[in-house]
Amino acid sequence: KQEVTQIPAALSVPEGENLVLNCSFTDSAIYNLQWFRQDPGKGLTSLLLIQSSQREQTSGRLNASLDKSSGRSTLYIAASQPGDSATYLCAVNSGNTPLVFGKGTRLSVIA
Amino acid sequence: GAGVSQSPSNKVTEKGKDVELRCDPISGHTALYWYRQSLGQGLEFLIYFQGNSAPDKSGLPSDRFSAERTGGSVSTLTIQRTQQEDSAVYLCASSQSTDTQYFGPGTRLTVL
Repeated sequence: KQEVTQIPAALSVPEGENLVLNCSFTDSAIYNLQWFRQDPGKGLTSLLLIQSSQREQTSGRLNASLDKSSGRSTLYIAASQPGDSATYLCAVNSGNTPLVFGKGTRLSVIA
Repeated sequence: GAGVSQSPSNKVTEKGKDVELRCDPISGHTALYWYRQSLGQGLEFLIYFQGNSAPDKSGLPSDRFSAERTGGSVSTLTIQRTQQEDSAVYLCASSQSTDTQYFGPGTRLTVL
């Protein structure tokens, strides 16, 4: 059974700092991995999707990497801003199956 | 085009009542998922529809929960005889097969 773990559970950083969020998964047989953002009381917004054949994806100040063999992904946020404050969720897709989510990292960027 | 929509956005009900939650997926998406997010918990899979195939109901927590998808589009999640532990945010997502899943804003259900 696939399990996804995210570390740390919560993180508080000053504005402008670069930061890394970690995600690990137990079964490396995945099709893709997705990073989401969730604001309080809102749904999920997809940030980046990395296919199993890819090593990384970039979107603006965000960069996600994938090491499928070791079951790890990182989300790198450059030059953090207060507007980045949210919960970040990692989810893996093993094919025509539902996503398996980690419990998220709650990020606070302090101005 | 329009994203995934869900209604109602909030629902307060009394214990023992039945509720229906609706999801309108992105047009053309063949896959539709229901998830539940309880306070302090991660996202929990409930049920999955793919095209005309029989739904994967393996995540439904009890037989009080059911869902249908009419015409391969709109889906309704029904909870019968609601209990307080059913209080959660219910999220719907749609996708094209194994592609990116797009989530709706969710329905916050409160059972008093």
